[in-house]
Amino acid sequence: GDSVTQMEGPVTLSEEAFLTINCTYTATGYPSLFWYVQYPGEGLQLLLKATKADDKGSNKGFEATYRKETTSFHLEKGSVQVSDSAVYFCALSPAAGNKLTFGGGTRVLVKP
Amino acid sequence: GAGVSQSPSNKVTEKGKDVELRCDPISGHTALYWYRQSLGQGLEFLIYFQGNSAPDKSGLPSDRFSAERTGGSVSTLTIQRTQQEDSAVYLCASSLASTGGRGSNQPQHFGDGTRLSIL
Repeated sequence: GDSVTQMEGPVTLSEEAFLTINCTYTATGYPSLFWYVQYPGEGLQLLLKATKADDKGSNKGFEATYRKETTSFHLEKGSVQVSDSAVYFCALSPAAGNKLTFGGGTRVLVKP
Repeated sequence: GAGVSQSPSNKVTEKGKDVELRCDPISGHTALYWYRQSLGQGLEFLIYFQGNSAPDKSGLPSDRFSAERTGGSVSTLTIQRTQQEDSAVYLCASSLASTGGRGSNQPQHFGDGTRLSIL
């Protein structure tokens, strides 16, 4: 079945540092890929998405590129802020279906 | 606001009782999903509705779990004879219907969840 693997946290960074969260997936066909973010005390929010190979999703300074050859969708941000402290979830939706399969989540803590 | 609304936000109940969790999706969203978020299992899919029908119930963990959706809008997730392992945050999401074909999946918008605690 489909699966998503992402790096375990917590990831602790200083403000303005570079952030990378690795995400790889296993799925048949061409799934859509997503990053969701859960800020403390809040619900899941869609951060960005990509629906086909080589697509780059971007939002709020975050970027991720759909790499079919390496089955990856790594999340990056060049300069993090304290307000980026949250749990980040990588997820996929299969080509012929709608349910989301999530990775285990990565907690990111940005210190001033 | 116009987001997905879930109620109650918190529910504490005794083992063996039945509970009902409610989800009010974004207006116009025909697809509705239930997920469960727990410490040991992460985020798990439970059930998917398209309109009032449920073409995918594969994630329901046991026959104690059921869900319905009426009028293509509000959905209720019912857990009968609750057990301690049912303690989790139950999340509802909604989306526009996918149009089919590659890359057509619509993003899902989540509610804040119901935190269920079984004593």
